[in-house]
Amino acid sequence: GAVVSQHPSRVICKSGTSVKIECRSLDFQATTMFWYRQFPKQSLMLMATSNEGSKATYEQGVEKDKFLINHASLTLSTLTVTSAHPEDSSFYICGAKGGPYNEQFFGPGTRLTVL
Amino acid sequence: DAKTTQPPSMDCAEGRAANLPCNHSTISGNEYVYWYRQIHSQGPQYIIHGLKNNETNEMASLIITEDRKSSTLILPHATLRDTAVYYCIVRVLNQGGKLIFGQGTELSVKP
Repeated sequence: GAVVSQHPSRVICKSGTSVKIECRSLDFQATTMFWYRQFPKQSLMLMATSNEGSKATYEQGVEKDKFLINHASLTLSTLTVTSAHPEDSSFYICGAKGGPYNEQFFGPGTRLTVL
Repeated sequence: DAKTTQPPSMDCAEGRAANLPCNHSTISGNEYVYWYRQIHSQGPQYIIHGLKNNETNEMASLIITEDRKSSTLILPHATLRDTAVYYCIVRVLNQGGKLIFGQGTELSVKP
């Protein structure tokens, strides 16, 4: 299967700061990337879908001004959590789809802790 | 996308087959059945998908009933590393591609 990476794997930040998470498709061109959030003991919740070169489509209840998504190239998407608060602490996972694949492949996730 | 129902948890002995059921009684004719798994603190891993025929790959087999209202994922010889949450998802192929995850089945493989 395809390989998707995320960076950083873990980040701790102070309340009020912004944090950027990168998602890269390493061996295929991801025309569509997805961002999910997962709280402890819960399932993945889709936050937004982004197509390369277009604005992201956010799921209901997800604040687009707080969670900024950029998908400027076919191999890179970024999620910026702006003015982070402790309740934003979560496991953030990206998914990527494109190239020869009909399946979605996932990154290893980023553990965000906001103090 | 159609909704799926899975048992919250299952146990399996190491070396035995693990059979994970999934109900999707409202599945539409153009919806595929996808299976992913998530090992603790990692991103989900694609396992297999199918439309109506049974499918097999190096990881697992997918058995879909003739009426397509349910399916079973089979791990033929479960190992301790197969301990994970298994998600059954139905969606239309090539339509956006977003996946809506349910609660999945937490499979514990025991020695």
